[in-house]
Amino acid sequence: GQSLEQPSEVTAVEGAIVQINCTYQTSGFYGLSWYQQHDGGAPTFLSYNALDGLEETGRFSSFLSRSDSYGYLLLQELQMKDSASYFCAVRDRGGATNKLIFGTGTLLAVQP
Amino acid sequence: GAVVSQHPSRVICKSGTSVKIECRSLDFQATTMFWYRQFPKQSLMLMATSNEGSKATYEQGVEKDKFLINHASLTLSTLTVTSAHPEDSSFYICSARVGTANSPLHFGNGTRLTVT
Repeated sequence: GQSLEQPSEVTAVEGAIVQINCTYQTSGFYGLSWYQQHDGGAPTFLSYNALDGLEETGRFSSFLSRSDSYGYLLLQELQMKDSASYFCAVRDRGGATNKLIFGTGTLLAVQP
Repeated sequence: GAVVSQHPSRVICKSGTSVKIECRSLDFQATTMFWYRQFPKQSLMLMATSNEGSKATYEQGVEKDKFLINHASLTLSTLTVTSAHPEDSSFYICSARVGTANSPLHFGNGTRLTVT
C-alpha cells in the first residue's frame, strides 16, 4: 500500500518562505503531486513532479528526490490567501484506474 | 478549464434515509470519476472509482451496498448513501481527470452531508 506523511500544521508570516515536506512509501511510483484546499472548498492542483529536481510555478515550487522518497512544496512571498491545507499525492497505478492517494495534509496558517 | 459540478453542496437528512449526490463533468467527457470522503481536518480518503458503463471499484473497507455508485453516462456519476447514519456525516467530493493518467484531477465543490 501507500502512505504519505506530512507535518500536520505550519505557521508563517506574510512575506516569508515556507516549506512543506512529504515523505512517502509506495509500492510503485508515478509522480508526486501537490494540491491546495481552502476550508470547505475543493482541492485545486498546484504542481506535479515526475522526475527529480525542482519545478517552479510562480510563487510555488515543488521538489522531488525519488532516491529519498521525499518531496516538498515551497511557498514564497506568503500571502494571507495562502492559508489553506496542502496535500501531497501519488498516483496508484494498480490496475487501470490510476487513482490518486493523498497525504495526511498540512494546515498552513499565514499570520500578518 | 475543465469543470466538475457537484450537487447538492449541502444536505441534511434523517437517519435511515438515502441521499443521492450528483457529479457532472461540464465541458469534457469522463470515463472515470473518483469519489472521496473527507472528515474534518483530515485527508481525502478515496472511496471508489466510478467507471462509465461498468461497475464501480471500491476501496478496501468501503461498503458497496451502502455507497451505491452509478456512472450511466460520460458526464454523470452519482453516489447514493443508503440508510444513512450519523457516522456517515462527512464531506464527499468527486473528481475526474482530463487527458492522460499524469493529468491533474479536477474536483467538484463537494457535498457536506449531515445525518441527524
